[in-house]
Amino acid sequence: AQSVAQPEDQVNVAEGNPLTVKCTYSVSGNPYLFWYVQYPNRGLQFLLKYITGDNLVKGSYGFEAEFNKSQTSFHLKKPSALVSDSALYFCAVSPTDSWGKLQFGAGTQVVVTP
Amino acid sequence: GAVVSQHPSRVICKSGTSVKIECRSLDFQATTMFWYRQFPKKSLMLMATSNEGSKATYEQGVEKDKFLINHASLTLSTLTVTSAHPEDSSFYICSAQGTTGEQYFGPGTRLTVT
Repeated sequence: AQSVAQPEDQVNVAEGNPLTVKCTYSVSGNPYLFWYVQYPNRGLQFLLKYITGDNLVKGSYGFEAEFNKSQTSFHLKKPSALVSDSALYFCAVSPTDSWGKLQFGAGTQVVVTP
Repeated sequence: GAVVSQHPSRVICKSGTSVKIECRSLDFQATTMFWYRQFPKKSLMLMATSNEGSKATYEQGVEKDKFLINHASLTLSTLTVTSAHPEDSSFYICSAQGTTGEQYFGPGTRLTVT
């Protein structure tokens, strides 16, 4: 069975400081990994994905994530956070044998203060 | 990027009535669409996978007779909540899978059953 863990319910960071949102996964085989962001009362917006290749993935709005197979992690990072980055962030995994069936983490609320 | 719309954005209905939610991929064809349910401050729960021209595949614990899904064309999937009850009140989100495998999410539909 596959699972995704986001250990932090909320991350607080000052504007301009680095932002990290943690995600670990458990899935058999090679996973497809995703990050999505959700603003209040809105659907999810795609940020980035890891399928194969370079472990460092660059995505939208200056975000990046590093795939670490040994630690089964896929942490989301941004070097300098903006107030507008305040939102709910979801990590998701899809096993390669059922492409598309996303398993979401519980979500991490990011609060960026001016 | 690809655009997915949902209609209505919010709906209030009386207990016992049925409600239909539409999900459309506006600028691409989606052979597969997914329906999710999100409770307040909670993660997304996959309800069913909708494939064009065939019956939907429901996740364990989701009542197929209560949540009717129809995927009549490559750009439209509908979710009908039949005989709605207050416990069906939730935020329903659809996604459409493009040819590259990425899922593009709709803005969601807020259902309130009184």
